[in-house]
Amino acid sequence: GESVGLHLPTLSVQEGDNSIINCAYSNSASDYFIWYKQESGKGPQFIIDIRSNMDKRQGQRVTVLLNKTVKHLSLQIAATQPGDSAVYFCAENDGNQFYFGTGTSLTVIP
Amino acid sequence: NAGVTQTPKFQVLKTGQSMTLQCAQDMNHNSMYWYRQDPGMGLRLIYYSASEGTTDKGEVPNGYNVSRLNKREFSLRLESAAPSQTSVYFCASRIATGQQETQYFGPGTRLLVL
Repeated sequence: GESVGLHLPTLSVQEGDNSIINCAYSNSASDYFIWYKQESGKGPQFIIDIRSNMDKRQGQRVTVLLNKTVKHLSLQIAATQPGDSAVYFCAENDGNQFYFGTGTSLTVIP
Repeated sequence: NAGVTQTPKFQVLKTGQSMTLQCAQDMNHNSMYWYRQDPGMGLRLIYYSASEGTTDKGEVPNGYNVSRLNKREFSLRLESAAPSQTSVYFCASRIATGQQETQYFGPGTRLLVL
């Protein structure tokens, strides 16, 4: 099966600092990638996506970077806020199924 | 527009009991999915339905059955629950398979099998 992994299982950042969450994927055929946010007791919530023909995509306070050479994906959150505290996980899609990482728990320190 | 809804939110079963988890979406999506989420593991696909009238096994289908009742609804049935099926179950929908579009998830059903 495919593997999608996160380098850091936990991350603590000071409020106002930038956060970077990393993800490695293994399937060269994957051409679509998503970052989700999951708060305690809730379902995953879409944050941002990127297609394999792009290297970078920006949203509101979030940026996703894709490095296809080393099969690496990252999520950058600018000016992290307490409301950003959650588990973040990446997903890859090869045109058929989605494969999900285990997640990184982000804690924002006020 | 409620998105993806799931019932029940919580359920406790005894080993051997059966139950059906309900899922509905109001986004006119073609594809629907059932996942389970266990501690320390990523979401794992149980079954999916690419379109109304079709269902296919995912990574962990054993012990489960599904029904795509219509375009809106996709149910997951446990015929004889086992403690290994204690998990959080998420339903998701997507506009269509093969499209580079995200899935949208429901709030989850937390199931405990004693």
